[in-house]
Amino acid sequence: DVKVTQSSRYLVKRTGEKVFLECVQDMDHENMFWYRQDPGLGLRLIYFSYDVKMKEKGDIPEGYSVSREKKERFSLILESASTNQTSMYLCASGPTDTFGSGTRLTVV
Amino acid sequence: QQQVKQSPQSLIVQKGGISIINCAYENTAFDYFPWYQQFPGKGPALLIAIRPDVSEKKEGRFTISFNKSAKQFSLHIMDSQPGDSATYFCAASNWGTYKYIFGTGTRLKVLA
Repeated sequence: DVKVTQSSRYLVKRTGEKVFLECVQDMDHENMFWYRQDPGLGLRLIYFSYDVKMKEKGDIPEGYSVSREKKERFSLILESASTNQTSMYLCASGPTDTFGSGTRLTVV
Repeated sequence: QQQVKQSPQSLIVQKGGISIINCAYENTAFDYFPWYQQFPGKGPALLIAIRPDVSEKKEGRFTISFNKSAKQFSLHIMDSQPGDSATYFCAASNWGTYKYIFGTGTRLKVLA
């Protein structure tokens, strides 16, 4: 089975901190995605990548950046965390549409 | 427009009943419509998907009905079981892009 692993299940960070969320997939997929999930809003695409060193903005990229230096790893970066970035963050890998279990980030 | 509208927000069904969740989209360029199932503490998992060249797709107890002219599609869960209790998301995309617009989710509870 394809596995998408997110490095942290829960994170608590302070406002203004730089935050790194890591995602690793083990099936040599070219496509990787970062979503945030909020109650009543569903999943919203933040950034995605079709290949190493490639990245494209999704629907809500403001306040975020990404890095993809290796095919299996896709990192989401919150440059200066804010309380409105408190959310569940989900990484996905394609083409099998496989999601990780998520990282619940709380910014205080 | 890029929205996908999903209803109802929550649904309670008796064991053995039929669960029906509806979605409507606006962008006529969308040509791939997946449904995802999410259990608490887990990421969404692809359940079933349809493309607009067919009006219905069935996999076991799960059926997608698709109405291209109305720009609507729905998930039917036949013989609903307590193990089906989860949150369900519809989504839409352009085939091959893997960029999905998700609905807001439906929390299904199946009573034993």
